[in-house]
Amino acid sequence: DAGITQSPRHKVTETGTPVTLRCHQTENHRYMYWYRQDPGHGLRLIHYSYGVKDTDKGEVSDGYSVSRSKTEDFLLTLESATSSQTSVYFCAISESLGQATGELFFGEGSRLTVL
Amino acid sequence: GQNIDQPTEMTATEGAIVQINCTYQTSGFNGLFWYQQHAGEAPTFLSYNVLDGLEEKGRFSSFLSRSKGYSYLLLKELQMKDSASYLCAVRGGNTPLVFGKGTRLSVIA
Repeated sequence: DAGITQSPRHKVTETGTPVTLRCHQTENHRYMYWYRQDPGHGLRLIHYSYGVKDTDKGEVSDGYSVSRSKTEDFLLTLESATSSQTSVYFCAISESLGQATGELFFGEGSRLTVL
Repeated sequence: GQNIDQPTEMTATEGAIVQINCTYQTSGFNGLFWYQQHAGEAPTFLSYNVLDGLEEKGRFSSFLSRSKGYSYLLLKELQMKDSASYLCAVRGGNTPLVFGKGTRLSVIA
């Protein structure tokens, strides 16, 4: 299994509070991603990174920011959490983006509840 | 943009064969992936197609027709443990994977 760990795995917070989710990999993969998964919507890309300090927005980036100061760590921050951000968040990594494979390996997910 | 469609739910009998379809519309195409996701777990990679045709891997096969924007995942000799969601995902060029909403498969005795 790919070495990806997410923390925290579960979090309950209140509306308006900041939240940071951490993704740590030991595979030295270049690309890292944050997806959220909600019933009826499937997996949707929030942000992704293609190198240290290089990030780009995904389909549902509003209300989220990311940072990648080291190859192995990718942080997702909700500056002021809202109930609509209650979701399961998955971090994923891949060696490549548009090459022959570039399959994603997923972390175990972080379940966030915003009250 | 990209649009990916797959059935929401399917039910099949243990030992049978089931086909899960996926249709997509993308600007550019650089591969189609299938993932399996058991309830409460992370998705795991099943198959990858970039050229037309059938890719077989044990009990699972995946087919692609680029001209029709169509793929299917074929599961043979169904087992109870195959009850899961199956996610179709498309890469439309040098961009991250875009996922369909997933098909929840229930295998019944």
